[in-house]
Order: sequence, then structure tokens, then C-alpha cells
Amino acid sequence: DVQMTQSPSSLSASVGDRVTITCRASQGISSSLAWFQQKPGKAPKSLIYAASSLQDGVPPKFSGSGSGTDFTLTISGLQPEDFATYYCQQYKNYPFTFGPGTKVDI
Amino acid sequence: EVDLVESGGGLVQPGGSLRLSCAASGFTFSDYYMDWVRQAPGKGLEWVGRIRRKVNSDTTEYAASVKGRFTVSRDDLKNSLFLQMNSLKTEDTAVYYCARSPTGGIFDIWGQGTMVTVSS
Repeated sequence: DVQMTQSPSSLSASVGDRVTITCRASQGISSSLAWFQQKPGKAPKSLIYAASSLQDGVPPKFSGSGSGTDFTLTISGLQPEDFATYYCQQYKNYPFTFGPGTKVDI
Repeated sequence: EVDLVESGGGLVQPGGSLRLSCAASGFTFSDYYMDWVRQAPGKGLEWVGRIRRKVNSDTTEYAASVKGRFTVSRDDLKNSLFLQMNSLKTEDTAVYYCARSPTGGIFDIWGQGTMVTVSS
């Protein structure tokens, strides 16, 4: 199975900040990488697929980059509604696997 | 409006069975692969299984942790996805989400989830 790791596991930020989350795959997955946002008690929301493509309706303050084994999610101009947990997921190989999550709080 | 609504969760004893449903609306259900993803209390996300489209013979894939115990099926006429869960274990306790997959392993729409608790 492809193991996914994320760093940091949590971070504290302020409104207006720019934050970057890193995701690493245990083997090359090309650009088969997605990012999700999840708020407490809510379903995940899809943000990015194919490492850097925004899902419909997702504001461009979210951006993704990377390929192979190393990926990043950047959130620019952090707003109160962006405080959440973020997960990466690989879909290159079965079983699809998720990273452990990065909690972004104030 | 595109929507997925799960139902069927509840409390079940270890070794028991449960069938989850996911009702789809607002899109052509038969055009999409569909997946189940779960989240144990306070934990991260775990992919459970998927079913492809009829043109792909409705073939399925499963996580090793559920293979042989869980079965994913679909009824395109009723725009519904199902997860039959047998031989349930306490470690199957989780919120179960259905998710739409337009291609590959991309999940673009998620349901709100249904809670399954396996406990004696």
C-alpha cells in the first residue's frame, strides 16, 4: 500500500496568513493526489485533484503543487472559515490511502 | 442540486450485519463510479470500497480490512448505492460516507455520513 504522511500534524495561524501543508507518498504516484478540507462534525469537502486542479467552486486562494512523492497545499489569506483539518489522498493505486491530516487552528 | 444522502446506520452487535444506503440526486448516477469512505471517531479517513459503472461491469474494489465481509452494490434505476456489511467488528465503528467519483480515484461530492456503532 502507498503510505501517505503529512506535516505538520497541526499548526496555529492568524487571519490573513499564508500557510503551507506538505504531503509525502511512500512511492511515486505521479500527480494522482487530492486534497480535502474537513470541519468538525462535517463531511470532507473536495478542494484539489490531480495535485493542482481546483474543484468547481473552490476559491483560488487554495493552490496545490507537486508530483511524484512530494506535494504541497497552500492557503493564501487565511479566513476564519478556513480553520479546519486538511487531508491528502493518493489515487494512483488501490487501496486509495489518505494522509493522517493537518489541523489548522487559530 | 447534486446531493448524496446516506442512511441505514445504527447500533449493531459484533458479528452482526447492517446495510447502508446512499441516495443520489441531481446528476446521472449511472455515469459515475461510487465509493465508500469511513472515519472512526476522532480518527482520519479510510477508503472502504468502490463500484464501477455498468459499462465497466459494475466491478468492485475493497480495502483489505473489509474484503470478504463488505459488499458494495448499486441500483442505477433507483439512483442508489449500497454497502452490505457482514461479520461486523468493533473496529468497524465509524461514520460512513458515500462519495462520487467522476474519474480515477477523484472524489468530488460527499454525502453527510451515517454513523455505525458496533458494540455489545
